Amino acid sequence: DTAVSQTPKYLVTQMGNDKSIKCEQNLGHDTMYWYKQDSKKFLKIMFSYNNKELIINETVPNRFSPKSPDKAHLNLHINSLELGDSAVYFCASSPSAGGPYTQYFGPGTRLTVL
Amino acid sequence: GQNIDQPTEMTATEGAIVQINCTYQTSGFNGLFWYQQHAGEAPTFLSYNVLDGLEEKGRFSSFLSRSKGYSYLLLKELQMKDSASYLCAVRGFTGGGNKLTFGTGTQLKVEL
Repeated sequence: DTAVSQTPKYLVTQMGNDKSIKCEQNLGHDTMYWYKQDSKKFLKIMFSYNNKELIINETVPNRFSPKSPDKAHLNLHINSLELGDSAVYFCASSPSAGGPYTQYFGPGTRLTVL
Repeated sequence: GQNIDQPTEMTATEGAIVQINCTYQTSGFNGLFWYQQHAGEAPTFLSYNVLDGLEEKGRFSSFLSRSKGYSYLLLKELQMKDSASYLCAVRGFTGGGNKLTFGTGTQLKVEL
């Protein structure tokens, strides 16, 4: 069973389009995250939700809008896609927002904007 | 804010020992993690240090000195499958949650 899953795995789209990436975790964790890994492999946090509440919101363009319908799901919607949005997006989860807990990462979604 | 430095690339020989260093400057420290990431895959957890000293887990060990803002990951008996990127990440508090700040990663190449 996959602990943290993401769909789709690959996403190729044109500039200006709107797209969504979905994430689900079956670990019973309270906290979920979205990270962006650019072409230089730098992994940077974008958002974090704890029990459906937004707790971390880094300096991300407001074209990016996360949504957490329940604590097992965290989706990422991106409006008006730009070339610079091309990256691998990783979802992650951890048991809670505090405490000595590691984060478990999903397989990633490779987004290519043409 | 947080600043994390680690070497970009390292090369080592199969069967040898390699040490990957990480230095950090942070305004709030709540633990340091090491992750391994193979090309095209997700990062996977290797080790966690929050107190000074050495944590050993099989062929992998990680050391932390909070006063020096320094950690290293030690890999023993290197195998070809250890060729990967090794990410140092520091956790600090922000708002209501923990935030992991990652270094740029050290690409390790294990050769015969």
